[in-house]
Amino acid sequence: DGGITQSPKYLFRKEGQNVTLSCEQNLNHDAMYWYRQDPGQGLRLIYYSQIVNDFQKGDIAEGYSVSREKKESFPLTVTSAQKNPTAFYLCASSIQGRLNTGELFFGEGSRLTVL
Amino acid sequence: DQQVKQNSPSLSVQEGRISILNCDYTNSMFDYFLWYKKYPAEGPTFLISISSIKDKNEDGRFTVFLNKSAKHLSLHIVPSQPGDSAVYFCAASGRYGGSQGNLIFGKGTKLSVKP
Repeated sequence: DGGITQSPKYLFRKEGQNVTLSCEQNLNHDAMYWYRQDPGQGLRLIYYSQIVNDFQKGDIAEGYSVSREKKESFPLTVTSAQKNPTAFYLCASSIQGRLNTGELFFGEGSRLTVL
Repeated sequence: DQQVKQNSPSLSVQEGRISILNCDYTNSMFDYFLWYKKYPAEGPTFLISISSIKDKNEDGRFTVFLNKSAKHLSLHIVPSQPGDSAVYFCAASGRYGGSQGNLIFGKGTKLSVKP
């Protein structure tokens, strides 16, 4: 079945450590996204990539980094510079092009807790 | 500055009655509006969308209405079922700022349907 796989589902990190969240899709979508959800905050865009080897900062990119070496993969690194990393992280993908209506397909999410 | 606003953080409805979830937006350049449904600890799933050239779109129990002059859209669920209990996010996309349709999300409305 086609879809988006995020791992791990739950992750604990000590302060000062970097951690990488994995996101893989087999939908053959060009665009991939990372969102963060906090209680009462909705979904906020961290980074997005419309094509391999290219990515753009979203609204809250500080303290995060990404790479897009393959079409299927868009890992997110939460660095020690991120002040409040405890959150629910969502990866998504979408079709790009003239028919793109903006619909996103989301993974199941990864919950990161900083101890 | 919030471009997509869901002013009701929560809504409680009796099973079998109508649920009406509201959303306001400020950017007249948006050309697609989408509703997503999200259960706890899961990724959002697409529910229904509407193009800015239409004023109504219906899919089974779900209908979305768009009032462009008021910059307002609403999602109607009839009849409401306990399984509809979730957080509903309104989102908008459009070709603005040279960027290809990144979704802007509201903060969500938590719907509780009581048996």
